[in-house]
Amino acid sequence: DVVMTQTPPSLSVAIGQSVSISCKSSQSLVASDKNTYLNWLLQSPGRSPKRLIYQVSKLDSGVPDRFSGSGSEKDFTLKISRVEAEDLGVYYCLQGTHLPNTFGAGTKLELK
Amino acid sequence: EVQLVESGGGLVKPGSSLKLSCVASGFTFSSYGMHWIRQAPKKGLEWIALIYYDSSNKYYADSVKGRFTISRDNSKNTLYLEMNSLRSEDTAMYYCAKVGVGLFDYWGQGVMVTVSS
Repeated sequence: DVVMTQTPPSLSVAIGQSVSISCKSSQSLVASDKNTYLNWLLQSPGRSPKRLIYQVSKLDSGVPDRFSGSGSEKDFTLKISRVEAEDLGVYYCLQGTHLPNTFGAGTKLELK
Repeated sequence: EVQLVESGGGLVKPGSSLKLSCVASGFTFSSYGMHWIRQAPKKGLEWIALIYYDSSNKYYADSVKGRFTISRDNSKNTLYLEMNSLRSEDTAMYYCAKVGVGLFDYWGQGVMVTVSS
């Protein structure tokens, strides 16, 4: 199975600060169709996960452009510029290239 | 608007069975694959099953293979997860999710399953 190593496990931030979350996979996530199925999800407190970014860097509809994704092959990053209160929760990376699909362990973003 | 609504959860004893449902609306259900994902209390997310749009292929996590069965009824816009031989470690919130562009594009609100004597 592909192991997704996500760091850091938690982040304490002030509103307006920028943060980055790393996700490294144990295998390349480039699929046979040349797409890279790396998603970023946010689970706000008490809510179900919501996808923010798909295929490494594509923002879902309605997601603020403060969020950006980058990376390739096995090394990926989620960046949040100018954190707002609504951004707090747990972020997960998720690879959809290989079965079983696997998740990172999560990064909890909290207010400082 | 895409909606996925899970139901069928509850408190059951070890060794028993339960069948979850996920009713879809707002998209052409018969055109998309569907996943089940679960989250144990205070834990991370675990993918458990995938079914193609036409039920031609089904895949399972090793942790549920042979005990859980994913199925769908496209005439009812409904996804199912039949769970047998339930164990305490199956206690979790269960989510269904749609296979859209880039995969996992919409998630349901989840349904809780508790396995305890």
